[in-house]
Amino acid sequence: GQNIDQPTEMTATEGAIVQINCTYQTSGFNGLFWYQQHAGEAPTFLSYNVLDGLEEKGRFSSFLSRSKGYSYLLLKELQMKDSASYLCAVMDSNYQLIWGAGTKLIIKP
Amino acid sequence: EPEVTQTPSHQVTQMGQEVILRCVPISNHLYFYWYRQILGQKVEFLVSFYNNEISEKSEIFDDQFSVERPDGSNFTLKIRSTKLEDSAMYFCASSAPLDGAGELFFGEGSRLTVL
Repeated sequence: GQNIDQPTEMTATEGAIVQINCTYQTSGFNGLFWYQQHAGEAPTFLSYNVLDGLEEKGRFSSFLSRSKGYSYLLLKELQMKDSASYLCAVMDSNYQLIWGAGTKLIIKP
Repeated sequence: EPEVTQTPSHQVTQMGQEVILRCVPISNHLYFYWYRQILGQKVEFLVSFYNNEISEKSEIFDDQFSVERPDGSNFTLKIRSTKLEDSAMYFCASSAPLDGAGELFFGEGSRLTVL
């Protein structure tokens, strides 16, 4: 079966760094996505990795290791507005997005 | 910036009624999707649509569901006879061909409440 695993909830302090991990087992791989979702709102795109390595985009970076079926999202200089759920999703061989359950990130002052 | 728009933002209906949720994808996109998210749960794939036909659908997308692109701009999801468990947020998304960006653009969602 297809499976995406990520922690249910994480807590971090404003100004700090947090790393959200995601492991996956899917039938085929056509890229891994990270989305941010505030409660009651649509997911918004953060990053897309299809090759191994680190992609940096401002305060957010995403890493992928295809051989390990592993990715992480790194958030630096955390702000209160970063409190949200972070969704890991993998596009399988049929170009279907398989979603993780999301990691709820709580930022404390 | 182009965006995906969905209507209605919220619909309340009685069990057994038909519901149509509408989406206008970004104009030059070719792939269209419907997802749903039951309150507090993960986003679930329903269906993908390309070249005027369904390309993939999940187990959730049974005979009660259908999609249509009637006029080249709208992309609709119809639920023929709603059930209580259909209450969820329904998100439409679209994407361009997989040319490297790979981003799905989501609409703001339509909240369906079935009573």
